[in-house]
Amino acid sequence: EDKVVQSPLSLVVHEGDTVTLNCSYEVTNFRSLLWYKQEKKAPTFLFMLTSSGIEKKSGRLSSILDKKELSSILNITATQTGDSAIYLCAVEARTPLVFGKGTRLSVIA
Amino acid sequence: NAGVMQNPRHLVRRRGQEARLRCSPMKGHSHVYWYRQLPEEGLKFMVYLQKENIIDESGMPKERFSAEFPKEGPSILRIQQVVRGDSAAYFCASSPLTGPRFTSDTQYFGPGTRLTVL
Repeated sequence: EDKVVQSPLSLVVHEGDTVTLNCSYEVTNFRSLLWYKQEKKAPTFLFMLTSSGIEKKSGRLSSILDKKELSSILNITATQTGDSAIYLCAVEARTPLVFGKGTRLSVIA
Repeated sequence: NAGVMQNPRHLVRRRGQEARLRCSPMKGHSHVYWYRQLPEEGLKFMVYLQKENIIDESGMPKERFSAEFPKEGPSILRIQQVVRGDSAAYFCASSPLTGPRFTSDTQYFGPGTRLTVL
């Protein structure tokens, strides 16, 4: 069965800290890995990663995929309270998307 | 450009009733996906549909659940004879995917329908 595991499950940091969220996967026929940010409602798309070693960046967020280690990390630098959310990792494999349980990030002022 | 729309946003049903959840994909998108998010769990894939076709329903419970995406109108996820365990947030996503079945493409999510079964 395809599986996506995220760690940590929850994290509390102070504004200005840098955080690293982890995602590992065991799937058949890997296609891509996606990161989403879920606040109160629907997940919003952050990154799609298909190639190993190429960092994708958007402002203070960046992500990279390691296909050898079957994992990805999502970095957030200089965190702000608005970064508080659940960060979901999903992998496209045999079914459209297999999601991890998410990492709940709380950024306190 | 309106995003993915789902309605109702909140739905309360008593055990044994039917629940109908609607999803209108983004304009130009012809592929719809339904996911369920149980409390404290990640999103779980249920079904993938194109217009008038079910492409992949491997995540759908075998009984009581059905989905359709007619030629005209929204996609509908129907749950018959609901039970308390069906209480969850149901998300719909759409994509403009036009290539082979599993070509990577971004899915855009709707706001979800929160179903509560009393």
